[in-house]
Amino acid sequence: DQQVKQNSPSLSVQEGRISILNCDYTNSMFDYFLWYKKYPAEGPTFLISISSIKDKNEDGRFTVFLNKSAKHLSLHIVPSQPGDSAVYFCAATGYGDYKLSFGAGTTVTVRA
Amino acid sequence: NAGVTQTPKFRILKIGQSMTLQCAQDMNHNYMYWYRQDPGMGLKLIYYSVGAGITDKGEVPNGYNVSRSTTEDFPLRLELAAPSQTSVYFCASGAGSNEQFFGPGTRLTVL
Repeated sequence: DQQVKQNSPSLSVQEGRISILNCDYTNSMFDYFLWYKKYPAEGPTFLISISSIKDKNEDGRFTVFLNKSAKHLSLHIVPSQPGDSAVYFCAATGYGDYKLSFGAGTTVTVRA
Repeated sequence: NAGVTQTPKFRILKIGQSMTLQCAQDMNHNYMYWYRQDPGMGLKLIYYSVGAGITDKGEVPNGYNVSRSTTEDFPLRLELAAPSQTSVYFCASGAGSNEQFFGPGTRLTVL
């Protein structure tokens, strides 16, 4: 029972353009969402997060948007750079729960 | 700070063999986790611990065991390796907030 879904396994974008990664969730108890970035042969690293009390959070080139009614969040990367080529995982958790549920990941390739 | 360290980086096991994947963290985190990642899949939680002496099952615990005798160490034991356990294993730790810090992973192949 996959509670966090990333329906696009891959995304190819030109350098300098916007990358938009999508994530859907089914568990209405989730109230905190995270994005992790993973390079080959390395562990995932935390990128950005958002609480359900917000609908947007920005950190430099990365912005996460949350639509609670649609149970949908997205990660925008503007502008995309070659170093952004990686696998991006969406994760979610509920209040008082210290476990994360992960999506399957989206592989982003930034073309020069 | 080394963060979260895992050993070994790679291992090939024969069916039926056993091994222990080591995980250590130097951030004094109470919470530690073991995940496995199969190709095209997200990270699945195997076991987790909320402190020394306390462990609990995650989504996919069958075929694995853990112990947590110290805050720093959280080894994962495979008793009778099976081909279905071929995967990349990640250990993570956290302070109880939502962010988790991951180790570099152990790539395990069971033949």
